[in-house]
Amino acid sequence: GAVVSQHPSWVICKSGTSVKIECRSLDFQATTMFWYRQFPKQSLMLMATSNEGSKATYEQGVEKDKFLINHASLTLSTLTVTSAHPEDSSFYICSASSGETNTEAFFGQGTRLTVV
Amino acid sequence: GQNIDQPTEMTATEGAIVQINCTYQTSGFNGLFWYQQHAGEAPTFLSYNVLDGLEEKGRFSSFLSRSKGYSYLLLKELQMKDSASYLCAVMDSNYQLIWGAGTKLIIKP
Repeated sequence: GAVVSQHPSWVICKSGTSVKIECRSLDFQATTMFWYRQFPKQSLMLMATSNEGSKATYEQGVEKDKFLINHASLTLSTLTVTSAHPEDSSFYICSASSGETNTEAFFGQGTRLTVV
Repeated sequence: GQNIDQPTEMTATEGAIVQINCTYQTSGFNGLFWYQQHAGEAPTFLSYNVLDGLEEKGRFSSFLSRSKGYSYLLLKELQMKDSASYLCAVMDSNYQLIWGAGTKLIIKP
């Protein structure tokens, strides 16, 4: 299957700082990338959908000014958590799709963010 | 509203067979996915069903009945490494994935 690389795997940051998470499709062009958040023992929650070259579409309740998503190329999307707070501590996962209908989404390894 | 239901936890014995059920109610249907997720890791794709019937892939099989809003994941010859959470997800009419909460599968020797 296709490979999606997410970096970093884990990060610890101080409250008030910003953290950038990268998601790269290594062997295919990802026209659509999805960002998810997963709290312990809970389901994946979609945060936003981004298409290359256009603004991301955020799910209800997700602050677009706090979670900045950039999908500048067909192989790279970034999620920046701005002014992080302890409640932002979570597992963030990206997935990428090459087709319009996302018949198979390939996931990155995930990033565990801890805000202290 | 949209809803995906699957059992919270199941226990099975190494070498045995286990069936994990998933029922769904969504606005439209464009396929059902099963993912495996080990603790602390991202989900791994297992299967995709869009037509009724059984799809077999090695030790894992997935079944779909669209009229009943029902799917199951069948795991045969269970191994200890199969201990994980299994996530059911349905793609709705907007091609959005609606996720179930996952079924934690515990394999005992």
